[in-house]
Amino acid sequence: DIQMTQSPSFLSASVGDRVTITCRASQSIFTYLNWYQQKPGKAPKLLIYAAFSLQSGVPSRFSGSGSGTDFTLTISSLQPEDFATYYCQQSYSNPITFGQGTRLEIK
Amino acid sequence: QVQLQESGPGLVKPSQTLSLTCTVSGGSISSGGYYWSWIRQPAGKGLEWIGRIYTSGNINYDPSLRGRVSMSIDTSKNQFSLRLSSVTAADTAVYFCARVSGYCTDTSCYPYFDYWGQGALVTVSS
Repeated sequence: DIQMTQSPSFLSASVGDRVTITCRASQSIFTYLNWYQQKPGKAPKLLIYAAFSLQSGVPSRFSGSGSGTDFTLTISSLQPEDFATYYCQQSYSNPITFGQGTRLEIK
Repeated sequence: QVQLQESGPGLVKPSQTLSLTCTVSGGSISSGGYYWSWIRQPAGKGLEWIGRIYTSGNINYDPSLRGRVSMSIDTSKNQFSLRLSSVTAADTAVYFCARVSGYCTDTSCYPYFDYWGQGALVTVSS
């Protein structure tokens, strides 16, 4: 199985901050990498697919980059509604695996 | 707008079988070439992929669950289902159904989960 490791696991930031979350795969997954946002009690929401493509309707302050084993999700200017947990997910091979999550909280 | 809704018992006894159904609305489950998937999330923990099914009957399961898990699809009802046998407390989780879509280029397709159900909490307890 491909292991996905996110860092940090917890992040405290303020509205307006630029934040970056990192995801590392245990082997190359090319650009088969997706990012999701999850709020308490809700289903995950797709933000970024294929490493850097922004899902329709997602604000442009979200961006993704990377290929191979190292990926990043960047939020250029945090908004109050962005405080949530973020997950990366590889779709290169079965079984599909997710990172452990990064919880983004208000400082 | 595609919508997915999980349904099934919220409480299952240990050693019994968990059964959930996902009803798809806003589109036909058999059109568009999509896979349909189950994902679960234990309380306070991360997301775990269970498996996926295609309308042709092609199925992939997480190997760690193989032998206990089965999926099926009923195109006449626009539903797909999950069965997980011999459950233990470790199977207690919120279970999500999701659609697997994909971004395709000339050479590759990049799958992702674009539509999700709201989730169904299943507790395994006597």
